[in-house]
Amino acid sequence: KQEVTQIPAALSVPEGENLVLNCSFTDSAIYNLQWFRQDPGKGLTSLLLIQSSQREQTSGRLNASLDKSSGRSTLYIAASQPGDSATYLCAVMDSNYQLIWGAGTKLIIKP
Amino acid sequence: NAGVTQTPKFQVLKTGQSMTLQCAQDMNHNSMYWYRQDPGMGLRLIYYSASEGTTDKGEVPNGYNVSRLNKREFSLRLESAAPSQTSVYFCASSEARTKTYEQYFGPGTRLTVT
Repeated sequence: KQEVTQIPAALSVPEGENLVLNCSFTDSAIYNLQWFRQDPGKGLTSLLLIQSSQREQTSGRLNASLDKSSGRSTLYIAASQPGDSATYLCAVMDSNYQLIWGAGTKLIIKP
Repeated sequence: NAGVTQTPKFQVLKTGQSMTLQCAQDMNHNSMYWYRQDPGMGLRLIYYSASEGTTDKGEVPNGYNVSRLNKREFSLRLESAAPSQTSVYFCASSEARTKTYEQYFGPGTRLTVT
């Protein structure tokens, strides 16, 4: 059974730092992997989707990488800003096209 | 395009009451999903509908029923609400023709059962 783990569960860093969020999964037979952002009391915003054949995707200050063989993905946020404060969720799509979710990393950027 | 809409946004129920959560999408997607999100946990799939007229159980279907009313609408019913069903409920839709199967999410319904 696919399991998705996100470490750390919470992270607090000063504004301006570059940071990395981690996501690991137990079964490398994935269709794709997505990173989402969730603001408190709000819905989900899709940030990046990486197909299983891809190694990375970039959008603005965000870069997500995928290493299927090791079961890992990272979300790199450059030059962090207070507005980046949110919970970041990782989800892998299995071979049945179902999303399996991690519990998220709560990120706080201190001004 | 409104994308995926959900009603209501908030609801408080007493134990044993019933209610239906509504979801609609205007993207002409074939597949629709219902998830629940509990504090400190990722989303868990309750039910999904791969296409109009079909529904299947997900990871946590007990205590719920669904109806795929038409291609646009997918409702989730709690027949006899229990405190364990206090959660945030998200509806999503996707389209296989995009090849990514990317899911698009509604804003969520925050349900409290007392």
